[in-house]
Parts: sequence; C-alpha cells; structure tokens
Amino acid sequence: EVDLVESGGGLVPPGGSLRLSCAASGFPFSVYWMHWVREVKGKGMVWVARIGVDGSGISYADAVKGRFSISRDNTKNTLYLEMNSLRPEDTGVYYCAKASDHGVNWFDPWGRGTLVTVSS
Amino acid sequence: EVVLTQSPATLSLSPGERATLSCRASQPIGFYSAWYQQKPGRSPRLLIYDASNRATGIPPRFSGSGSGTDFTLTINNLEPEDSAVYFCQQRDIWPYTFGQGTKLEIK
Repeated sequence: EVDLVESGGGLVPPGGSLRLSCAASGFPFSVYWMHWVREVKGKGMVWVARIGVDGSGISYADAVKGRFSISRDNTKNTLYLEMNSLRPEDTGVYYCAKASDHGVNWFDPWGRGTLVTVSS
Repeated sequence: EVVLTQSPATLSLSPGERATLSCRASQPIGFYSAWYQQKPGRSPRLLIYDASNRATGIPPRFSGSGSGTDFTLTINNLEPEDSAVYFCQQRDIWPYTFGQGTKLEIK
C-alpha cells in the first residue's frame, strides 16, 4: 500500500528555518514526480513545489521561490523541503503528494501532513 | 494565476439525493481540471482528473464534466460517508491552483 509520512514541522519564529521530510513506501519512489502542497486555514490548498524523478524539473510557487528548496534522495525513498527565511504567511499544513498515475501534475495520494507554524 | 471559484460554499443534502458542485476558472483551462475529496482529519483523495475521468477505485456515483471555464462534480445517490470538503484543481496554467472548496453535509 502506498504511504507517505511527513515529518519536521513545528513552531518557528519569523526568519527561521525548517526542513521537512516525506518518507515514501509501497511504490517505486524513483519513477514518480513528487510535490509539496500546503493547506492554509481560510484559503485552502496552495501548491508549493515539484521535483522530477531524478531531481530535475524543479519548479516553485512565486511565493516561496528563493527561500524554499525541494530535493529527493531516491536511495532513501525520501522527499525533502528546506524552508528558509520563513514568514507568518508560510504557516499551514504541508503535504507531500505523489504524482498520480494519471498525470504528473495531479496529486495522488497525499501524505498525512505536517503542521508548520511561523510565529514569534 | 488562474483563480478557481467553487459554489456553493456549503451544501446540505439527504442520503439518496444528488449533489452538484461547481468550479469556475478565471480563464480557460481546457479539460485540465481535477476534483479531490477531503474528509475531516484526513488527507485529500483524487476523485476525478482531466475533467471527467474517474481515478482508480472511485465508484461510478462520482462523475465530472465540463471544459474551458466551467466544471461540475456530480455525486449520485449520496451516502453518509460522502460528507467531506470537495475542491477542484487546475494544471493547465502554471502555477497549479485550487478552489477554496465546497463543504458537503449529509443530513
């Protein structure tokens, strides 16, 4: 069974950093594009970043470009999101999502999410 | 970016009824829309992709239609387990964007 488990969230002051991880199992991780999506209270889902199967094809939402970095380790079946210069508006639940079998930019399944709170 | 506007915000129906949810895009996106279901405390699940194709394991009670700027998710013969937030997504124009969701309550 496909499973995605995020970790690394927490409370961080503005300007701080966090590194999120997403441990994947139950599917051949190295052949799937992966995404990060955040859920913002009152606003809904916001796509954050994506990465291709070999680490290429990286793209970011404008709101995080230059501050966040997505990467993957196919030997460890793990996806990462390095977040720097965090702002209060980065607060939310961060989900990793596997690219669907029906298209690289549909998300299926999603992980359980990890909460990031940026506040002093 | 493409703004997806969903209506209604909340829908309250009884078991056995039909739910019709709308998603309107601020500019044409072809057939490149999807629908997700998110139950309380759970992560989202893909229901429909490319406007009208059911994802793997999704029952035929769920159907999608539309193109261009107007998309619809229809859920026939509602069951209590269908209580959830449903949101749409587009992948035609970067960045990928989502609607704000419709909360479906089964009375």
